[in-house]
Amino acid sequence: GENVEQHPSTLSVQEGDSAVIKCTYSDSASNYFPWYKQELGKRPQLIIDIRSNVGEKKDQRIAVTLNKTAKHFSLHITETQPEDSAVYFCAAVTGGGNKLTFGTGTQLKVEL
Amino acid sequence: GAGVSQSPRYKVAKRGQDVALRCDPISGHVSLFWYQQALGQGPEFLTYFQNEAQLDKSGLPSDRFFAERPEGSVSTLKIQRTQQEDSAVYLCASSLKAYEQYFGPGTRLTVT
Repeated sequence: GENVEQHPSTLSVQEGDSAVIKCTYSDSASNYFPWYKQELGKRPQLIIDIRSNVGEKKDQRIAVTLNKTAKHFSLHITETQPEDSAVYFCAAVTGGGNKLTFGTGTQLKVEL
Repeated sequence: GAGVSQSPRYKVAKRGQDVALRCDPISGHVSLFWYQQALGQGPEFLTYFQNEAQLDKSGLPSDRFFAERPEGSVSTLKIQRTQQEDSAVYLCASSLKAYEQYFGPGTRLTVT
């Protein structure tokens, strides 16, 4: 089955700096890669996603890049703000099914 | 519009008791998923429905876990003879399109 690795597990940045979270996946058939933001005690919130036929996608301060050859994808957050502080999860869906396989999460802390 | 809702939000069960967790998906969403999230971990897939058909139950950890969606809308996850290792947050997600999954707030189950 699919295996998704995520790093770093914790990331601390100063407000206004950029943050990058990286994930790798094992199944070359995976074709959809969402990112979720989860605040403490809250539901995972879909913030951006990318499909395997696209190399990059951007939505305001958030962007995701995908390298199919290397089987890795990354989340980039620019001009970080305190409200960006949360746990971020990457995930992958294999083409044969719809279930999400999640990474282990990155605790992002944006400091003033 | 209304998002995915789950009830109860918190459930405390004594070991050996049966529990039933409810999920109300977003209206019109065909696909429904259940995930288990242990403390500090990413969600792990349990089972998947398309309308009333359970298409994948490969993630259910034992035969004590059972899920149903009889009318293709509301779903119930039932855990029989609960054990301490069942303590976790149980998340439900629904999807209209093939891949974009929207999560409910979860039910935090504590087995004492």
